[in-house]
Amino acid sequence: QKEVEQNSGPLSVPEGAIASLNCTYSDRGSQSFFWYRQYSGKSPELIMFIYSNGDKEDGRFTAQLNKASQYVSLLIRDSQPSDSATYLCAVRQGAQKLVFGQGTRLTINP
Amino acid sequence: DAGVTQSPTHLIKTRGQQVTLRCSPKSGHDTVSWYQQALGQGPQFIFQYYEEEERQRGNFPDRFSGHQFPNYSSELNVNALLLGDSALYLCASSSGTGGRINQPQHFGDGTRLSIL
Repeated sequence: QKEVEQNSGPLSVPEGAIASLNCTYSDRGSQSFFWYRQYSGKSPELIMFIYSNGDKEDGRFTAQLNKASQYVSLLIRDSQPSDSATYLCAVRQGAQKLVFGQGTRLTINP
Repeated sequence: DAGVTQSPTHLIKTRGQQVTLRCSPKSGHDTVSWYQQALGQGPQFIFQYYEEEERQRGNFPDRFSGHQFPNYSSELNVNALLLGDSALYLCASSSGTGGRINQPQHFGDGTRLSIL
């Protein structure tokens, strides 16, 4: 079992719809969770981080964390073509090490 | 406020050579982590430096080594390059490990290393 797994893509969503990205992790002791967006040929850009169970909202983005189920998700509301990118889920292990999933490629269709 | 800066942006080497990549952390950050990202994969943790010492290390051979300087900048050295070392090398910076472990990491633009 991989330490961090993301739903296999690519994911295609019509413009204006909600995009849902999912991630599961194996280390039950994990405390910090991050979503990064990576455009093709660019470096990862931090979108959101979440530490507590429940939802955390920032503009059109909502991160959801369920530690009992070892599950974290990212919802993108009112999807825009500029949201088309690869989304990386990362879980912190130890003080600073981030373990990444393989990424989910998202395409927003106009 | 400068973000994380890395140099060079691209590098081409041949098998067996050695390479040094450089990173300057974001202003106010004192911890530097290095990651390797192969095409189509998520980044993999190489190691992390704080207070000029290696604090955590991922599953990478000793050919990969690093250094952190008093101004918090860092270098990644790779010896005896293999074809499989071709990847995007990312540097990420954050605030210190002591007492603020939840500080997010911010990435630089990376160095694209190609091994011929």
